[in-house]
Amino acid sequence: DAGVIQSPRHEVTEMGQEVTLRCKPISGHNSLFWYRQTMMRGLELLIYFNNNVPIDDSGMPEDRFSAKMPNASFSTLKIQPSEPRDSAVYFCASSFRGRNTEAFFGQGTRLTVV
Amino acid sequence: AQSVSQHNHHVILSEAASLELGCNYSYGGTVNLFWYVQYPGQHLQLLLKYFSGDPLVKGIKGFEAEFIKSKFSFNLRKPSVQWSDTAEYFCAVILDSNYQLIWGAGTKLIIKP
Repeated sequence: DAGVIQSPRHEVTEMGQEVTLRCKPISGHNSLFWYRQTMMRGLELLIYFNNNVPIDDSGMPEDRFSAKMPNASFSTLKIQPSEPRDSAVYFCASSFRGRNTEAFFGQGTRLTVV
Repeated sequence: AQSVSQHNHHVILSEAASLELGCNYSYGGTVNLFWYVQYPGQHLQLLLKYFSGDPLVKGIKGFEAEFIKSKFSFNLRKPSVQWSDTAEYFCAVILDSNYQLIWGAGTKLIIKP
C-alpha cells in the first residue's frame, strides 16, 4: 500500500478563495482524521470519521471549514472562504478503529493564504 | 476528560547526552500507547508502540519507552542522542473504552552538534 495520500502537497491561494484538500486513506482502514498544525497552536484535531461518518467535528474552527467522506477511499477538507489565519500544514491520518492499531499519517498539505 | 501530558515543551541537549521525555495520561482503563516523531518539514511517523506484554518497548533508532501502569506513564528514552534526533516528539494514547486517539502537545527536541 502506498500509505495515506494527500493532495496537493502545497497550495497557495488568495484570501477569499475556496480551497479543497484531498485525502486517500490506507485501504481497509475505517477511521480517518484531519489535523491542522501551526507553530502557535501545535497539532489540532479538526474532525474524525469512522466508517465514513463524522464522529467528532468539535475541532472544526468555524463554518468556513467543512469535511466530507463520500466513500471509504476518499475524503475532502474544504475551506470557503479562506483567510490568512488558515495558513498551516493540514495532515490526514487513517487507522483501523479498535485495539492494537496505530494511525498512519499522510505527507501533509502546506496551505498558504495570502 | 481524558488527556495526555507531555511536561517538557522544549528540550535542548548536546550530542551523546541521554534523553528522557515524559508522558503521562489520565485514564484508568486499558490503553494502547504510542510515540510518534516528526522530523523538520516532515509528517508524523511511528517511533514505537505498546499494546500489551513487556512494558519495556524498543523502537527504531535506539529509542525505547517504558510503560509504568501505576504511574500512568510512558516515558521515552535514548541513552545517547545524535544531532539527527532533532525533531518534535508526540505521545499518544488510544482508550479501550471508545478507541479515542488522544495526543500530547508534543516536545520539541534540539540536539546541539
